[in-house]
Amino acid sequence: GAVVSQHPSRVICKSGTSVKIECRSLDFQATTMFWYRQFPKQSLMLMATSNEGSKATYEQGVEKDKFLINHASLTLSTLTVTSAHPEDSSFYICSVRPNPTDTQYFGPGTRLTVL
Amino acid sequence: RKEVEQDPGPFNVPEGATVAFNCTYSNSASQSFFWYRQDCRKEPKLLMSVYSSGNEDGRFTAQLNRASQYISLLIRDSKLSDSATYLCVVNSLNKLVFGAGTILRVKS
Repeated sequence: GAVVSQHPSRVICKSGTSVKIECRSLDFQATTMFWYRQFPKQSLMLMATSNEGSKATYEQGVEKDKFLINHASLTLSTLTVTSAHPEDSSFYICSVRPNPTDTQYFGPGTRLTVL
Repeated sequence: RKEVEQDPGPFNVPEGATVAFNCTYSNSASQSFFWYRQDCRKEPKLLMSVYSSGNEDGRFTAQLNRASQYISLLIRDSKLSDSATYLCVVNSLNKLVFGAGTILRVKS
């Protein structure tokens, strides 16, 4: 498998602030990373696919101007939740896929609470 | 209709029991299939891939029926540590699609 870290693991912020979440691939170079969101008692939903050196691909219904993704290196992708609101409170998880036919390996997740 | 459907449970079973989970998927072009395990407030972790011929890993057996678009997971001799949510996951057009999960609670 692959080893993925995320930082921070938990964040509590006031409504209107922006929050940056980092996802790092620790043991291989990831040209593609995936960002998911999970609301309580619901399944993981893919938000976007992060592509190293190019724009992210967003899923339908996900606002690209609200969820800014930067994948500037082969080991780091960041997700910034801009002007966060209470409805953005969720569990945000990133993943990597070592090769196209392989499964994905997930980071430990970031729990965001917006007051 | 959801692309991946699972019985949410919960399944409450005693230690040592055998329990089976089912999953159906709607996209017949799906390419690969997995079971993940997710503990409370943690990330999903790969339990096993699912192959057409069926495959076994210790106490866990996974089966796939492409004609019926049906996937199953059998857990034998349940342990307390098996308590978790089991996610049926389908690789559809190179994206992972997750079921909502089936909750298993193993009790002593």
